[in-house]
Amino acid sequence: GQNIDQPTEMTATEGAIVQINCTYQTSGFNGLFWYQQHAGEAPTFLSYNVLDGLEEKGRFSSFLSRSKGYSYLLLKELQMKDSASYLCAVLDSNYQLIWGAGTKLIIKP
Amino acid sequence: IAGITQAPTSQILAAGRRMTLRCTQDMRHNAMYWYRQDLGLGLRLIHYSNTAGTTGKGEVPDGYSVSRANTDDFPLTLASAVPSQTSVYFCASSDGGRTEAFFGQGTRLTVV
Repeated sequence: GQNIDQPTEMTATEGAIVQINCTYQTSGFNGLFWYQQHAGEAPTFLSYNVLDGLEEKGRFSSFLSRSKGYSYLLLKELQMKDSASYLCAVLDSNYQLIWGAGTKLIIKP
Repeated sequence: IAGITQAPTSQILAAGRRMTLRCTQDMRHNAMYWYRQDLGLGLRLIHYSNTAGTTGKGEVPDGYSVSRANTDDFPLTLASAVPSQTSVYFCASSDGGRTEAFFGQGTRLTVV
């Protein structure tokens, strides 16, 4: 079967760095997405990785290792507004998105 | 403002009633999707459409139907609502393939 695993909840301090991991087992791979979802709102796109390595976009970076079935989202200089759920999703061989359950990130002052 | 719009934003529905959730996008995206999101579970695909005139079943299609008469609209119908269909429903669209999906603001549906 297809499976996406990510931690249910993480806590971090304002100004710090946090890494949210995602491991996947899917039928085929056409890329991995990270989305941010604030409580009561729609998911919004953060990043897309299809090749191995690190993609940096401002305070957010996303890493992919296809051989390990592993990705992480790195958030630097955490701000209170970063409190949200972070969703990992893999595009499978049929170009359908398989979603993880999301990681709720709590930022403390 | 370009984007994707869902209606209604919330609804309380009696079990056994028929309900259509509306979704409209103005980005001319070919692909559209309906997801449900339940606490502790990831987004689960109900139905999708890769282009106007075609639809497909996702992971949890039972009890739901869709149509795609044109590029912009993708309504989701619950023929006879049951309490297990209580959820938050998100409509999304994309250019397909390896492109990001844009989501509507969601419809919070409670079936009692």
